Amino acid sequence: DAGITQSPRHKVTETGTPVTLRCHQTENHRYMYWYRQDPGHGLRLIHYSYGVKDTDKGEVSDGYSVSRSKTEDFLLTLESATSSQTSVYFCAKRADSNTGELFFGEGSRLTVL
Amino acid sequence: QKEVEQDPGPLSVPEGAIVSLNCTYSNSAFQYFMWYRQYSRKGPELLMYTYSSGNKEDGRFTAQVDKSSKYISLFIRDSQPSDSATYLCAMAARFNDYKLSFGAGTTVTVRA
Repeated sequence: DAGITQSPRHKVTETGTPVTLRCHQTENHRYMYWYRQDPGHGLRLIHYSYGVKDTDKGEVSDGYSVSRSKTEDFLLTLESATSSQTSVYFCAKRADSNTGELFFGEGSRLTVL
Repeated sequence: QKEVEQDPGPLSVPEGAIVSLNCTYSNSAFQYFMWYRQYSRKGPELLMYTYSSGNKEDGRFTAQVDKSSKYISLFIRDSQPSDSATYLCAMAARFNDYKLSFGAGTTVTVRA
């Protein structure tokens, strides 16, 4: 158990609807990340957070926003979902160790019709 | 051109064979190199970590980094069916914000 849970695990929605994915950690790790995984692209960083209310963009941030009002929760919002945002979304937290290992959740599979 | 290139395979080997995986990269600032293993419908998990150049061995796994060639490798000796997974290379330039750049992943199947 990586101590990080994502919800929902599966979601089907329609184009134009808002979607929020939730990531919850059981510890107080400072850094949290949202990635998306698509065939042929591997994992691409959407947004990350380095503390409560402290967030920054990754390489594929267009169409996404994030919020972190508590250390343990990191939310990813698609304001108006598009079919190109159909993907598997992974949340991760960074360990407070020399390696800075990322611990990933089980993923949220989103389908936008 | 992608910052990190990784052959997606798939790669199929018999049990007991040596699996050889590699990635090339273009950003000379990368100095933290990792290999993650991802089983089907699971999140990635860290397998090997190397800082800067050199070799690192952990059981049946060996990671190599050649910064002069911008090339990293992972070798799996005496491969087992349980090694069947997707292997992703990842790297970062700075430790502070640790924005990892991932390869596309190589899918490996070890046949019993």
